[in-house]
Amino acid sequence: GAVVSQHPSWVICKSGTSVKIECRSLDFQATTMFWYRQFPKQSLMLMATSNEGSKATYEQGVEKDKFLINHASLTLSTLTVTSAHPEDSSFYICSVWFTLTGELFFGEGSRLTVL
Amino acid sequence: AQSVSQHNHHVILSEAASLELGCNYSYGGTVNLFWYVQYPGQHLQLLLKYFSGDPLVKGIKGFEAEFIKSKFSFNLRKPSVQWSDTAEYFCAVRSNSGYALNFGKGTSLLVTP
Repeated sequence: GAVVSQHPSWVICKSGTSVKIECRSLDFQATTMFWYRQFPKQSLMLMATSNEGSKATYEQGVEKDKFLINHASLTLSTLTVTSAHPEDSSFYICSVWFTLTGELFFGEGSRLTVL
Repeated sequence: AQSVSQHNHHVILSEAASLELGCNYSYGGTVNLFWYVQYPGQHLQLLLKYFSGDPLVKGIKGFEAEFIKSKFSFNLRKPSVQWSDTAEYFCAVRSNSGYALNFGKGTSLLVTP
């Protein structure tokens, strides 16, 4: 069964609106989650590291005011794309760090299309 | 700068052919190495990983990879591919000082019947 669940899988929104994507760890508590972005036919680019109870750590070039990350509990991290524009259209994937095995488990991804 | 390079972007093989996908990295120090697979319409799944010990690592579905430290490489191999191996394959590296993975650009594998 799934270890990491993302919702929604697909979202279409109008330019200027905000979209929230949820990432849930189903089988274990996760103090650290990661948000990746994947463009078509390209690799996964790390956007930020989400830490439970503290501010997220953003990678260089990622606007923290545009991509708001909240990790309010050990099983939930949210990514909010604020004032979305067509160039924000992408596949957003979260992953959860399983400390016992050093493995990352990935969510199914959320495809955002901004019109 | 730290980077992960996958040399083959698109590979087309016939069933039963042997597969080798290249992966090189440029990291200093100790690294953890991973291969992930993404089947069409599905999420990323771990194929295999290397942390330490035997540099020849066996993963799921008959895949294996060999860590060659002197070449900074972690190539993925399978002796005989099947149609169901059609997928996107990603090499990923993590430095021992961090948690996040740095991914290569991926290799799209198409296995024809």
